[in-house]
Amino acid sequence: DTAVSQTPKYLVTQMGNDKSIKCEQNLGHDTMYWYKQDSKKFLKIMFSYNNKELIINETVPNRFSPKSPDKAHLNLHINSLELGDSAVYFCASNLQGQETQYFGPGTRLLVL
Amino acid sequence: AQSVTQLGSHVSVSEGALVLLRCNYSSSVPPYLFWYVQYPNQGLQLLLKYTSAATLVKGINGFEAEFKKSETSFHLTKPSAHMSDAAEYFCAVTSQGGSEKLVFGKGTKLTVNP
Repeated sequence: DTAVSQTPKYLVTQMGNDKSIKCEQNLGHDTMYWYKQDSKKFLKIMFSYNNKELIINETVPNRFSPKSPDKAHLNLHINSLELGDSAVYFCASNLQGQETQYFGPGTRLLVL
Repeated sequence: AQSVTQLGSHVSVSEGALVLLRCNYSSSVPPYLFWYVQYPNQGLQLLLKYTSAATLVKGINGFEAEFKKSETSFHLTKPSAHMSDAAEYFCAVTSQGGSEKLVFGKGTKLTVNP
C-alpha cells in the first residue's frame, strides 16, 4: 500500500495551460505539504495545510492554488503555466507534533 | 530563520571507502535534523533523523550521523561505500514541534566508483 501517492507521475503541457496535481495519504496524518524541486535539485516548501487549513504559504505566485478537500488530500492547481514552473513537485505529510515528514514519489512537470 | 549548508555538491568515493557527507545548520531554536536520500527519478527516503535524544544517530543502509551542537554540524557517514549508495543526499532542518516546514540543503550527489 502506498503511503503518500501523487497523480500524475509525469505531466507534459504547453505554456499557458492550467493543470492540477493530486496528493493523497493513507497514514492518518493531519498535516500535508507541497515542495518544489527545481532543475538544480533544490527543494523548497510551497504550502502546508493542517486539518484543511492553510498554515504555511511561502512566496509563491498566486497562479498556484492549493486545495485540501479533507485531511487525506492536498491538491495543487496551477494556472497559466510558465516555462519556469517545470520542476518536480513533492507532496509530504505528517502528524502535527511529530517531526518526520513522509514524501510522495513526486510529479515531474515539464512545461513546453 | 533556519538554513542548511551542504559542503560539496559532488562527492566521489571508491567502493569500500568511507563516505562522509557534510552538513552544517543554522537555527535560532533547538533543531530537528534529517538526512534524506533520493535515487534517480525517485522520491525522498528518510535515512535518519536527530530529535534531541542520542547525538549519534543510526539509520538505514549502514549510515549514521552525529549531531555536534558546538560545531552546528550533522555530518553523514558510512564506513564502506556500496555501488547502490550512489544517489543524491539532502540534509534538512526543522523546528521542534512538528507541522513546520523542512528547510533543505542544496544536496550532495554521491558517486561510487568500482
